[in-house]
Amino acid sequence: DAMVIQNPRYQVTQFGKPVTLSCSQTLNHNVMYWYQQKSSQAPKLLFHYYDKDFNNEADTPDNFQSRRPNTSFCFLDIRSPGLGDAAMYLCATSRTTGESPLHFGNGTRLTVT
Amino acid sequence: GESVGLHLPTLSVQEGDNSIINCAYSNSASDYFIWYKQESGKGPQFIIDIRSNMDKRQGQRVTVLLNKTVKHLSLQIAATQPGDSAVYFCADLAGGTSYGKLTFGQGTILTVHP
Repeated sequence: DAMVIQNPRYQVTQFGKPVTLSCSQTLNHNVMYWYQQKSSQAPKLLFHYYDKDFNNEADTPDNFQSRRPNTSFCFLDIRSPGLGDAAMYLCATSRTTGESPLHFGNGTRLTVT
Repeated sequence: GESVGLHLPTLSVQEGDNSIINCAYSNSASDYFIWYKQESGKGPQFIIDIRSNMDKRQGQRVTVLLNKTVKHLSLQIAATQPGDSAVYFCADLAGGTSYGKLTFGQGTILTVHP
């Protein structure tokens, strides 16, 4: 009964080849987030959606884009993956912003060859 | 806090001991704090949260202590079990932000020996 589901668990892509990671949620939460987590580091917020409103972090590279076609689904698009983009990508949801805990999926491990 | 490097602090304990994991945060405007547990290959899992109007909160086998004066947060795990082995992150949320941007601390690796 996973509530935040990320597919695939492992993704291999070639340098420069676009890749899309997906996230779905059964919690009906308003907010969906994408985090990047590199080895032995804390998760780093890339962007989030509050409903359909997109909020990009200032230091998120333009190479990273996101789409949220409906409440349940959110996608992370990496337009031209570089070797430095290899990481775990975590999707999270929260009921609202502010004092509302985030619920994370188990992530997609991206390898760039 | 901010993640500052590749070498996470580590804590090794024996099964049955109590564990204390510490976290310092930098934003004096932070008013909501969460502890997460992350096992290998999994996403962070919510453990417990605390608001700034409290200095202590207890859950099942866990207690979080907050000292706003020195901007310090701790997680105490009673009777630590091998299943508690994981990386533990604190995260804080600054008040007045327009959205719930959690800032994660560096993380601590907890290893529990049987």
